[in-house]
Amino acid sequence: DVKVTQSSRYLVKRTGEKVFLECVQDMDHENMFWYRQDPGLGLRLIYFSYDVKMKEKGDIPEGYSVSREKKERFSLILESASTNQTSMYLCASSPRTGRGTTDTQYFGPGTRLTVL
Amino acid sequence: GNSVTQMEGPVTLSEEAFLTINCTYTATGYPSLFWYVQYPGEGLQLLLKATKADDKGSNKGFEATYRKETTSFHLEKGSVQVSDSAVYFCALSPTGGFKTIFGAGTRLFVKA
Repeated sequence: DVKVTQSSRYLVKRTGEKVFLECVQDMDHENMFWYRQDPGLGLRLIYFSYDVKMKEKGDIPEGYSVSREKKERFSLILESASTNQTSMYLCASSPRTGRGTTDTQYFGPGTRLTVL
Repeated sequence: GNSVTQMEGPVTLSEEAFLTINCTYTATGYPSLFWYVQYPGEGLQLLLKATKADDKGSNKGFEATYRKETTSFHLEKGSVQVSDSAVYFCALSPTGGFKTIFGAGTRLFVKA
């Protein structure tokens, strides 16, 4: 079974702190994604990566950065946390397909971040 | 652009009732279509998928058929159980793109 793990299930930080969210997948997937999930807004893509050291902005990248130094690990960084970044953060990975589409995404359990 | 619209929830049903959650999409080309489910306190997991027109995806008693003529991918189950209570997301993966577009999600409550 594909396993995607996230470093924390719950996290509480203070405004202005630098926050690191870690994600690791064990299935050698090329693609990895970071989403945030908010009530009534569904999933919104923050950043994705299609290869080591490659990254692309998603729909809401402001206030976030990412790092992918190894294929299995994709980190989300909040440079200076703010209260409007309180949310559920979901990491996902997927294999690349020959059709040029993204195949099934495999999600981690999520990190519920609260910024005070 | 690409988009997914699914029916708003919450949907509340009694056990053994018939379930339909509507999903329509806008996309160019031939996207892949997915239904994901999120149980309380967990991440999303794939429920079923279809990769071309007229394909039917099925899993755990749930079904959805890829209808290109109506740009729809409605989720159905003949007899729901309390354990089906969750949030259901319709999604599409467009041709030639890395991004998956998710609907807003539909929360289902099933009463015993």
